[in-house]
Amino acid sequence: GEDVEQSLFLSVREGDSSVINCTYTDSSSTYLYWYKQEPGAGLQLLTYIFSNMDMKQDQRLTVLLNKKDKHLSLRIADTQTGDSAIYFCAESSTGGGNKLTFGTGTQLKVEL
Amino acid sequence: DTAVSQTPKYLVTQMGNDKSIKCEQNLGHDTMYWYKQDSKKFLKIMFSYNNKELIINETVPNRFSPKSPDKAHLNLHINSLELGDSAVYFCASSWTGTGANVLTFGAGSRLTVL
Repeated sequence: GEDVEQSLFLSVREGDSSVINCTYTDSSSTYLYWYKQEPGAGLQLLTYIFSNMDMKQDQRLTVLLNKKDKHLSLRIADTQTGDSAIYFCAESSTGGGNKLTFGTGTQLKVEL
Repeated sequence: DTAVSQTPKYLVTQMGNDKSIKCEQNLGHDTMYWYKQDSKKFLKIMFSYNNKELIINETVPNRFSPKSPDKAHLNLHINSLELGDSAVYFCASSWTGTGANVLTFGAGSRLTVL
């Protein structure tokens, strides 16, 4: 079955860049997503990338996709304290019945 | 104007009881989901309904029964609650045309079984 892995924790200083990494196993993944979860809240979509692309930029967010290595990353430029949250990558594939399979989540802590 | 709303937000109950969580979406989406998030924050899909039809039913005990009376509602009923059912349950919805399947999540329902 599908497997999506992330490192559990990342700590950065305010103003630095954060890079959150994700690896997945499903070679038929068509879209890959990044979601953010703040304490006590549901998940919010940050951005997504089609599997035929290798990069997508959206303001402070840059997504890089290495399809050959099945590696996805999310870079947050100029990280702020408000970026402290859990970040989940997810993948969907054709034939997956419309489900998103989520990674294990990375807790990002931004320190002053 | 909440897009995906779940009730109740918190639920504390005894082992063996039966409880329900309700979900409604006002986005006009055609697909609704239930996800379970455990204490380690792992998110796992439980069920998915498309136009009131069950399309995903992961390995979930029979004690869990979803019901979708219409496209805008997906409820989750749990019988004979066990300690291991304690978790946060998230409802989500999406429009599943061609392209990315972007899920909109509710705020979650935290279930505590004592």
